[in-house]
Amino acid sequence: EAGVTQFPSHSVIEKGQTVTLRCDPISGHDNLYWYRRVMGKEIKFLLHFVKESKQDESGMPNNRFLAERTGGTYSTLKVQPAELEDSGVYFCASSQVVVHPGNEKLFFGSGTQLSVL
Amino acid sequence: AQSVTQPDIHITVSEGASLELRCNYSYGATPYLFWYVQSPGQGLQLLLKYFSGDTLVQGIKGFEAEFKRSQSSFNLRKPSVHWSDAAEYFCAAIYGNKLVFGAGTILRVKS
Repeated sequence: EAGVTQFPSHSVIEKGQTVTLRCDPISGHDNLYWYRRVMGKEIKFLLHFVKESKQDESGMPNNRFLAERTGGTYSTLKVQPAELEDSGVYFCASSQVVVHPGNEKLFFGSGTQLSVL
Repeated sequence: AQSVTQPDIHITVSEGASLELRCNYSYGATPYLFWYVQSPGQGLQLLLKYFSGDTLVQGIKGFEAEFKRSQSSFNLRKPSVHWSDAAEYFCAAIYGNKLVFGAGTILRVKS
């Protein structure tokens, strides 16, 4: 069974440019999460999809970040325009539908390392 | 504030030695507590989790963790470390419906 796949693994862009990160969850997983880790800091929640709907986007830093999940399959996270402080590792995770978040088993991708110069 | 604290940024242990990684969570966690490990180039892998019941939980790869409510701690332990355990370890807790992570502890294993 394929795991959670993220693309690209690394991205280096200049300030002001646009970058789009992609996440392919495990097939059949309705829940999809985006997290971000700024260097040396905690991994922080960005948002949560259930199928194609945004369940919780309270962690999105600002309106330069746009997440979509077309058809409830893969998801993209676009940063436009990118700023220096957006640098970090962006993780995606997926899980099946469960009753309580604590019972979910999250499967994480290996992350996208974003460097904004 | 909802936070998980891992006091040690780096830890170095000799192969075969015992290991303890510290984790404290702030008031308000459910507590549903987790330890994840990330090896280079890999995603986060769940080592173990605590929901209720026995406060000593066993995980994969020979790891265990003990929940101590009085100390708001959930420390990860392993009796004998292997070189392949070198990785970054993250403690996490559920607050409401969100998973909140600590900043991670990098484990180095020397031979």
